[in-house]
Amino acid sequence: DTGVSQNPRHKITKRGQNVTFRCDPISEHNRLYWYRQTLGQGPEFLTYFQNEAQLEKSRLLSDRFSAERPKGSFSTLEIQRTEQGDSAMYLCASSSRNYYTDTQYFGPGTRLTVL
Amino acid sequence: AQSVTQLGSHVSVSEGALVLLRCNYSSSVPPYLFWYVQYPNQGLQLLLKYTTGATLVKGINGFEAEFKKSETSFHLTKPSAHMSDAAEYFCAVSSGGGADGLTFGKGTHLIIQP
Repeated sequence: DTGVSQNPRHKITKRGQNVTFRCDPISEHNRLYWYRQTLGQGPEFLTYFQNEAQLEKSRLLSDRFSAERPKGSFSTLEIQRTEQGDSAMYLCASSSRNYYTDTQYFGPGTRLTVL
Repeated sequence: AQSVTQLGSHVSVSEGALVLLRCNYSSSVPPYLFWYVQYPNQGLQLLLKYTTGATLVKGINGFEAEFKKSETSFHLTKPSAHMSDAAEYFCAVSSGGGADGLTFGKGTHLIIQP
């Protein structure tokens, strides 16, 4: 069990550029979640996958945001035409299918700074 | 809809003193409740969770929390604070046992005074 990993850990970009983040969940975890955390706030749910299916999307996930999990393993989160308001920590979490013991395990996050 | 309120964005206690971090929730269905801790430059780590059954839940590092339905509360306590407890603490609620997205509070920064 190597934990949830996220890459890159830091990303600095200019407004208007596209960025993509990657999340590798714990092996055999079938659920994968994306959250956004801004300074001084708790994480806010963005979306989640069960295997390759995207089952829920928050209204926070504007049409500039897209997430994929093509083979039910790793996931990518892309932000198109970045805005300064997108600057935040993007967190990924994964959990297993067992309903009664579902615990979301979080990665270290990707910190995005939009200049 | 569900929400979490954490009273006090900063809590300061002396080393060895009782730690009490407050969390109140709102949920239209029986809630599942969680406390996570976040150390600087690290990811969130689960301290403890309440799903069903016993309302007093024990977690890691000596922390525990009690689910009180009548008060819609899930306060986190530790009898004796240690310097290593200094961190950000988040309370979260889920209506799906943690299988769906969690709703987090804004967090409480715990400061330990020597």
